[in-house]
Amino acid sequence: QKEVEQNSGPLSVPEGAIASLNCTYSDRGSQSFFWYRQYSGKSPELIMSIYSNGDKEDGRFTAQLNKASQYVSLLIRDSQPSDSATYLCASTGFGNEKLTFGTGTRLTIIP
Amino acid sequence: NAGVTQTPKFQVLKTGQSMTLQCAQDMNHNSMYWYRQDPGMGLRLIYYSASEGTTDKGEVPNGYNVSRLNKREFSLRLESAAPSQTSVYFCASSPQGRNTGELFFGEGSRLTVL
Repeated sequence: QKEVEQNSGPLSVPEGAIASLNCTYSDRGSQSFFWYRQYSGKSPELIMSIYSNGDKEDGRFTAQLNKASQYVSLLIRDSQPSDSATYLCASTGFGNEKLTFGTGTRLTIIP
Repeated sequence: NAGVTQTPKFQVLKTGQSMTLQCAQDMNHNSMYWYRQDPGMGLRLIYYSASEGTTDKGEVPNGYNVSRLNKREFSLRLESAAPSQTSVYFCASSPQGRNTGELFFGEGSRLTVL
């Protein structure tokens, strides 16, 4: 079982709708959680980080963390075609220098 | 401000050949990493360096060696390339501490081993 799991998709969402991306993790000691966006042929880019239970909002993006249920989600409001990319979920354990990535969810926004 | 720079961007090797991937960062970050990315496998950590002078194995270190030449530079060497090492390689850096998971990636190096 991978430590960080994501549905590989593809996930198709109409333009202007809310895209919801989910991620579960197996290590209860995980402390920090991150969402990276990766356009095709490009390198990953950090878009959100979340460290405590609850919601964290940044523009059209909201990260949600539920440590009791061991899941992290990313909501993208008012989805745009430019949001079409693969989204990678990642986590680090307590005192752990290493980041563990999920395999990513491919998101397509349909105009 | 270049961020993280990797060279070469593309490389084709024959089985058994050796090569070194170079990485340099200009953000004064302490930690540097080498990942490989394969379809369906996601990003997997090969080696990392928490600070100048230290290196440690990641998830998939076999067949690779690394050198943290100084605070800026972290190289990855394939001593005897195998087709299983065909992949896209990413170098990344991060400041130490709470931001450990906040990585800054280079553009990647696409390696094909025939």
